[in-house]
Amino acid sequence: GAVVSQHPSWVICKSGTSVKIECRSLDFQATTMFWYRQFPKQSLMLMATSNEGSKATYEQGVEKDKFLINHASLTLSTLTVTSAHPEDSSFYICSGGGGSGINIQYFGAGTRLSVL
Amino acid sequence: KQEVTQIPAALSVPEGENLVLNCSFTDSAIYNLQWFRQDPGKGLTSLLLIQSSQREQTSGRLNASLDKSSGRSTLYIAASQPGDSATYLCAVNTDKLIFGTGTRLQVFP
Repeated sequence: GAVVSQHPSWVICKSGTSVKIECRSLDFQATTMFWYRQFPKQSLMLMATSNEGSKATYEQGVEKDKFLINHASLTLSTLTVTSAHPEDSSFYICSGGGGSGINIQYFGAGTRLSVL
Repeated sequence: KQEVTQIPAALSVPEGENLVLNCSFTDSAIYNLQWFRQDPGKGLTSLLLIQSSQREQTSGRLNASLDKSSGRSTLYIAASQPGDSATYLCAVNTDKLIFGTGTRLQVFP
């Protein structure tokens, strides 16, 4: 099956610093990648959709200057949380689409971000 | 706007019971519906995916049904076990995945 690797799995940072999260499709070309955020005891909320080589499409209420998404290749997308603050602490999950399944997303294991 | 709701929000049952988890969605124009399992602090494990043209899918003790016209899906878990304890999420796929609110399941010995 299609595998998506997400790194790091857990990161702690100081307020004001930037954090980069990587999402890699290991055995398929992810033409589209998705980034989700999940607050404790809540469901996943889509933050943005990115297609390889083009700008990401952000959902309403998500600040594009704060959550920088790069999808430079068919196997790698990155999410950078710029000038992180405690309220950005959350669980971030990526997924990739474009594998063998039609309209199917394959999920990474998630990154837990804690901003002190 | 597509909205996905899951009932019940939480469920606690003794081992061995057969369970039904419900998922409803407001817009029937979907590509597929997927059920996931999420353990605390972990990512998602895909359980079953039902394409919009299908009525049900089965995997082991799990059976998921889809009634697109009424905007409903159910996940049936047979002979529940303590290892089934987790949060179960349904998600409908339009041009993006919209997740439900989840059902937190606890199966006690």
